[in-house]
Amino acid sequence: KQEVTQIPAALSVPEGENLVLNCSFTDSAIYNLQWFRQDPGKGLTSLLLIQSSQREQTSGRLNASLDKSSGRSTLYIAASQPGDSATYLCAVRPGSASKIIFGSGTRLSIRP
Amino acid sequence: KAGVTQTPRYLIKTRGQQVTLSCSPISGHRSVSWYQQTPGQGLQFLFEYFSETQRNKGNFPGRFSGRQFSNSRSEMNVSTLELGDSALYLCASSPYGQGGYEQYFGPGTRLTVT
Repeated sequence: KQEVTQIPAALSVPEGENLVLNCSFTDSAIYNLQWFRQDPGKGLTSLLLIQSSQREQTSGRLNASLDKSSGRSTLYIAASQPGDSATYLCAVRPGSASKIIFGSGTRLSIRP
Repeated sequence: KAGVTQTPRYLIKTRGQQVTLSCSPISGHRSVSWYQQTPGQGLQFLFEYFSETQRNKGNFPGRFSGRQFSNSRSEMNVSTLELGDSALYLCASSPYGQGGYEQYFGPGTRLTVT
C-alpha cells in the first residue's frame, strides 16, 4: 500500500534563503508525482508535475526532483520570498487509473 | 481557459440534512475527482469520475455519493449530515490521457454542519 510522507510538518526560514521540501513514498512503482501549494482556506495550485520517466522539472524559482529508487522527491525553492508562505503538498499517482495519494504537507513560513 | 469552478463556495447546514455540491471542470477535461479536507485528517480522496463512470472510490460511508453528467460536470451529495462532515470539499479535474494526468483544483466549498 502506497504511503506518502512529508517531513517536516512545518518550517520557518528568513527571506532570501534557498530551501528544500521533502516528500517520500513507500512504493517506487509510481506513474507521476505532483507538487501543490495551498494558501489558507483556498484550493490547491499545481506547481510541478513529474512523470515517472523524468528526473526533474523546473518552473521559475522552483525545481522538483524525483528519485524513484529511493522513494523520494524534493522541491527546491530558490531565493524564498514572504509570498512563498503556504502549505506545500506532494501527491503520488501509483498508476494511470489509480487514485492520487497525498502527503500531509509542509507548512512553510518565510520571515521578512 | 476558465479554471475549475465549484458552487456554492460556502454552505451552512444542520445535522440530518442533505447537501449537494457542484463542480464544473476545465473545458475538455473528462476526469473529475473529489476530496474532503479537514484539519485533523488532511486531504482524503472521496471518488473519481471519468466519462460518467465512477473509476475510483475512497473509504467513506455510503452517505457520500456522486455522479458525473455527459458534459463532465459533477455533483457530490452527502445525506444525513453529521457534525464531522464539516470540511472543505475540493474538486479537481484532469485531462485524462493527456498532459500526464495533471490535476487542477477548484477553490473548494466550505461546508459547516451545525
